[in-house]
Amino acid sequence: QSALTQPASVSGSPGQSISISCTGTSSDVGGYEHVSWFQQHPGKAPKLMIYDVSNRPSGVSNRFSGSKSGYTASLTISRLQAEDEATYYCNSYTSGFTLVFGGGTKLTVL
Amino acid sequence: QVQLQESGPGLVKPSETLSLTCTVSGGSVNSGSNYWTWIRQPPGKGLEWIGYIYYSGSTNYNPSLKSRVTISADTSKNQFSLTLSSVTAADTAVYYCARGGGMSRPSDWGQGTLVSVSS
Repeated sequence: QSALTQPASVSGSPGQSISISCTGTSSDVGGYEHVSWFQQHPGKAPKLMIYDVSNRPSGVSNRFSGSKSGYTASLTISRLQAEDEATYYCNSYTSGFTLVFGGGTKLTVL
Repeated sequence: QVQLQESGPGLVKPSETLSLTCTVSGGSVNSGSNYWTWIRQPPGKGLEWIGYIYYSGSTNYNPSLKSRVTISADTSKNQFSLTLSSVTAADTAVYYCARGGGMSRPSDWGQGTLVSVSS
């Protein structure tokens, strides 16, 4: 199974909105509604931010939202804050009954 | 909230077997439709799914690791474990255990433990 494709980096200024894409195939992102997004700060464990494409776990800010179109899922962060600076990973369920992650996207808040 | 803690050797020799245990508190490894999962992250790199054991005892593994991986659970100790055989330097990583209500959404994570493979 190949890793999902994410941009290596994105950036934005405080208050702005940014989106991070996660592209797969018909065997993963395009075939299922089981895409999740994780936030990871340096030296910390990942934190689940979005699951099943667009659902937010309890306690996650509503500034974080997810969507999917075709083979590409997206994470949007609105009203950027300095604390959002982190690396973001997507994952997806696959047709092989396994899980695959994206390569990660480093978000820089300018 | 479920809490998880990884434990095991921080250094393993090449060709030997890596063994890690995840101790669970605040939840039971044999209840609740949970996926008890291992994920690793090589230094400076991305996340890699290793596999899971479902609360019922069924398992599923990353195809690239399947021939070397076993995940098991000890319900009497409320722990689940990872063994990875024939390790090489490429297996050097921070290993995380996690719990999720769905396979793709691990929501509770351990702090991670660094395992280095070196002679």
